[in-house]
Amino acid sequence: NAGVTQTPKFQVLKTGQSMTLQCAQDMNHEYMSWYRQDPGMGLRLIHYSVGAGITDQGEVPNGYNVSRSTTEDFPLRLLSAAPSQTSVYFCASRPSYAPEFFGPGTRLTVL
Amino acid sequence: SQQGEEDPQALSIQEGENATMNCSYKTSINNLQWYRQNSGRGLVHLILIRSNEREKHSGRLRVTLDTSKKSSSLLITASRAADTASYFCATDLPGEYGNKLVFGAGTILRVKS
Repeated sequence: NAGVTQTPKFQVLKTGQSMTLQCAQDMNHEYMSWYRQDPGMGLRLIHYSVGAGITDQGEVPNGYNVSRSTTEDFPLRLLSAAPSQTSVYFCASRPSYAPEFFGPGTRLTVL
Repeated sequence: SQQGEEDPQALSIQEGENATMNCSYKTSINNLQWYRQNSGRGLVHLILIRSNEREKHSGRLRVTLDTSKKSSSLLITASRAADTASYFCATDLPGEYGNKLVFGAGTILRVKS
């Protein structure tokens, strides 16, 4: 099993650009989540999904869109990048009421 | 504001000593989890304690949960330099469509050899 994979590992964007961070898991987990990690802030939940077609907002959803058309994939879309979105982004998956399996992260810089 | 708050923010100890980190939270939970993050890496799950459990052990780790005080502690015994990392608690909360994890800001542990 590859576990949770994320692409790209690094990305630099200019303000106003859009992009999609990719996340895939091969463990047939129901739940998938996106978090961002900023220095001294721990992880903050952006969006999560409890299955194909079902998503919900986390603590910091503004500026991000998600959709889940398959169990395996959960892409995160930045609609119009802003410097405040400079962060490390982690995707994770898990069965219900179980621990998260985290991907390696995507380091995003918005200039 | 975040659900879980860790204390202390940073901890520096000598190898062989015990390290204790605390987590407080605000609302009822399904379970509470502890994770470790080595610098520049993703988080790794350490231990999960359910709301009806009071104590749990895993190797050199001991976790307690006091739901009346809405707090948990993580004890690492006989610490090693390899334990140097950031440690996070996460509370499993009910959401609109399912449950979601909310993480605290973490404790940075440094173990000196």
